[in-house]
Amino acid sequence: QVQLVQSGSELKKPGASVKVSCKASGYTFSTYDVNWVRQAPGQGLEWMGWIDTKTGNPTYAQGFSGRFVFSLDSSLSTAYLQISRLEAEDTAFYYCTRDLTAHGTARGYWGQGTLVTVSS
Amino acid sequence: QSALTQPASVSGSPGQSITISCTGTSSDVGAYKYVSWYQQHPGKAPKLIIYDVSNRPSGVSNRFSGSKSGNTASLTISGLQAEDEADYHCSSFTSRGTNVFGTGTKVTVL
Repeated sequence: QVQLVQSGSELKKPGASVKVSCKASGYTFSTYDVNWVRQAPGQGLEWMGWIDTKTGNPTYAQGFSGRFVFSLDSSLSTAYLQISRLEAEDTAFYYCTRDLTAHGTARGYWGQGTLVTVSS
Repeated sequence: QSALTQPASVSGSPGQSITISCTGTSSDVGAYKYVSWYQQHPGKAPKLIIYDVSNRPSGVSNRFSGSKSGNTASLTISGLQAEDEADYHCSSFTSRGTNVFGTGTKVTVL
């Protein structure tokens, strides 16, 4: 069965960096793109962008370029989200997702979420 | 890209039907049939319950249904049950080739 397993919670100081991993299993990794979604505590969902798992080409939503980087290790069927120069406002759950169908728009499968807390 | 507009909260009694609206623009909800709905219980990851406006993924109860008219999409939950108490989020593809989520709606079963 399709599974997306993310790395554990992180506590970081402002200005530091964090790298969240998302390991996929149960399907051919390169067939489905990986989207990333952010949810601040008590808030709604924000689409951060996606990465093409065939080419490694990332696309970032407005407000998520610069400090946010999507990457892959296809040999490990794993996607990564790296955030640099962390700010308190980056405190949130970060979810990786896989579409229900290839090249679709419905986030059919979700990782369990990784809580990143930024605090001095 | 502004978030799609949803009511902050909707409530209903067990067995009743409720409808949650999701209002966008002619550049997102109104332009495509690519509207999705997600259910999120506290402390859990969201779960896809409706895609492409009105389709249900395998295993999702037929008490959930979706529709769209103009720039507004709707999710209807019929035969409301206690387990339906959760947050619901809509999402749409946009003319910029991006995706946008709604503001989220808390459903309370009275």
